[in-house]
Amino acid sequence: AAGVIQSPRHLIKEKRETATLKCYPIPRHDTVYWYQQGPGQDPQFLISFYEKMQSDKGSIPDRFSAQQFSDYHSELNMSSLELGDSALYFCASSFKGGVYNEQFFGPGTRLTVL
Amino acid sequence: AQSVTQLDSQVPVFEEAPVELRCNYSSSVSVYLFWYVQYPNQGLQLLLKYLSGSTLVKGINGFEAEFNKSQTSFHLRKPSVHISDTAEYFCAVSEPNQGGKLIFGQGTELSVKP
Repeated sequence: AAGVIQSPRHLIKEKRETATLKCYPIPRHDTVYWYQQGPGQDPQFLISFYEKMQSDKGSIPDRFSAQQFSDYHSELNMSSLELGDSALYFCASSFKGGVYNEQFFGPGTRLTVL
Repeated sequence: AQSVTQLDSQVPVFEEAPVELRCNYSSSVSVYLFWYVQYPNQGLQLLLKYLSGSTLVKGINGFEAEFNKSQTSFHLRKPSVHISDTAEYFCAVSEPNQGGKLIFGQGTELSVKP
């Protein structure tokens, strides 16, 4: 079965550079969530999109922006990178129908800021 | 705001012994509860979930969890662990009709020794 695809899997950037992370949801899924997991920490919700509109926002820095495109893939844009942005970034997708919408997680993108 | 507390950051146990990983959540309203497992350098995999109904939930790999509303707990159990169960386990909660974002606990590192 198709899973959530994230690219790149690993990314190394310098401070103050920009980075773009991509997420391709499972086919027919219409909702995408982004989470950030710092070293040794629990995943923190950043932002979510439903049908290409932002549906919820968590602890996402103003330096970050995200969007969901017409094919439902999503991109997380990160500017003015800081050392503290080094983390594992997960994308999850779900289909918003029924009582509960299970989130399926991608393998993550490991961002290292030097 | 919703919060999740995993009472043990590390749980060492011998192979074939029983294990319980503890999780408490803060909300007094209806919630959905989840346990995820994360193997080293991998994404999050859903072990089991509680949405409603029977308070005893069975998941994959022989794990089960019991929802206790009065104690706001959702402890994870396995009667006999294997070396391959060594991983990080996260308890998570989401509120119905709140967009589906997951709030995670701090994680419990289960280490199974021979």
